[in-house]
Amino acid sequence: GENVEQHPSTLSVQEGDSAVIKCTYSDSASNYFPWYKQELGKRPQLIIDIRSNVGEKKDQRIAVTLNKTAKHFSLHITETQPEDSAVYFCAARDLNTGFQKLVFGTGTRLLVSP
Amino acid sequence: EAQVTQNPRYLITVTGKKLTVTCSQNMNHEYMSWYRQDPGLGLRQIYYSMNVEVTDKGDVPEGYKVSRKEKRNFPLILESPSPNQTSLYFCASSSTRGHGYTFGSGTRLTVV
Repeated sequence: GENVEQHPSTLSVQEGDSAVIKCTYSDSASNYFPWYKQELGKRPQLIIDIRSNVGEKKDQRIAVTLNKTAKHFSLHITETQPEDSAVYFCAARDLNTGFQKLVFGTGTRLLVSP
Repeated sequence: EAQVTQNPRYLITVTGKKLTVTCSQNMNHEYMSWYRQDPGLGLRQIYYSMNVEVTDKGDVPEGYKVSRKEKRNFPLILESPSPNQTSLYFCASSSTRGHGYTFGSGTRLTVV
């Protein structure tokens, strides 16, 4: 089955710096890659996603890149702000299979210091 | 408001006492799933459901049961809870295969 590895487990940056979180997946059939943000004590919330027919997607200060050949994808946050501090999860799924198996990485705790 | 509602938010119980965590969504989503979240392990899928009366095991189904008698509801049942089931549980739903899940607020379960 699919296995998703996520690095780093913790990331500390200064406000205004960029942050990059990387994930690798094992199943070449995976074709949908969402990213979730979980603030302390809250539920995970979808912040951006990408499908395998696209190499990059941007939404204001966040972007996701996908390298299908290497089977890895990354989340990029520019001009970080203290409110970006949270745990971020990547995930992968094969949209062509008949079930909703979304496999998550183990999470990255991002701390943005003022 | 479109949402996934879980109850209860917090639950402390004793080993072996059957419990049910309810989950309901008002978005007419076909797909629903249960995850548990543990430190350092991320979110692991327990069970999922593609539609009414269609359920299947995820990665960590042992000790859990589910049912999907109605489209909006997907309860998680622990027939005989054990301390290793102490965790934070999330219910989630999705409308199509092309979208990510919407998560409920979570249920923090402690089994003593």
